Amino acid sequence: EAQVTQNPRYLITVTGKKLTVTCSQNMNHEYMSWYRQDPGLGLRQIYYSMNVEVTDKGDVPEGYKVSRKEKRNFPLILESPSPNQTSLYFCASSSSDRFSYEQYFGPGTRLTVT
Amino acid sequence: RKEVEQDPGPFNVPEGATVAFNCTYSNSASQSFFWYRQDCRKEPKLLMSVYSSGNEDGRFTAQLNRASQYISLLIRDSKLSDSATYLCVVIPYNQGGKLIFGQGTELSVKP
Repeated sequence: EAQVTQNPRYLITVTGKKLTVTCSQNMNHEYMSWYRQDPGLGLRQIYYSMNVEVTDKGDVPEGYKVSRKEKRNFPLILESPSPNQTSLYFCASSSSDRFSYEQYFGPGTRLTVT
Repeated sequence: RKEVEQDPGPFNVPEGATVAFNCTYSNSASQSFFWYRQDCRKEPKLLMSVYSSGNEDGRFTAQLNRASQYISLLIRDSKLSDSATYLCVVIPYNQGGKLIFGQGTELSVKP
């Protein structure tokens, strides 16, 4: 089954404790992306990757890191989480022609930073 | 001004009604446009692409007006199952791999 998986689905953590949210896709997609969704603000792009070893900032990259060492995986790293990073996070992937093809989203990770 | 703006609603309509959403964008270099549907904080899923000539998929019609920089989604004969948040997505051709989402329009279809 074609899918994007994220782990964990729910996470409560404390300020400053490093965490990683994993994202994996089995569709051999070149393009992957991370978003956060907050009430009234919609989805905002954090980082994206056009292919292995190629990453770039989206609209809200501050406080986040990513890596793309393998085509299928695109982890999101919060080195020192803060309460303003409490949000719903989605990972997505698509074929390289992102202008034409749909984004496939993972189920989301609900993160709470206290 | 936000790059992509939608009326957040909620739109409360009876079953069978016709409802229309608009989405305005500020970047005239925008290349591709989509409507996504999101159910109650679940993952967004593609509803339909928006083509320059307009396109229809069953009860759903999408249109693009490049001169006025907006896209629209028309839903005819609304069903209870259409209740969701509708997100417009704009992809500018001159901003690398960025995708820009509107904040979403909430639709509630009542019996």
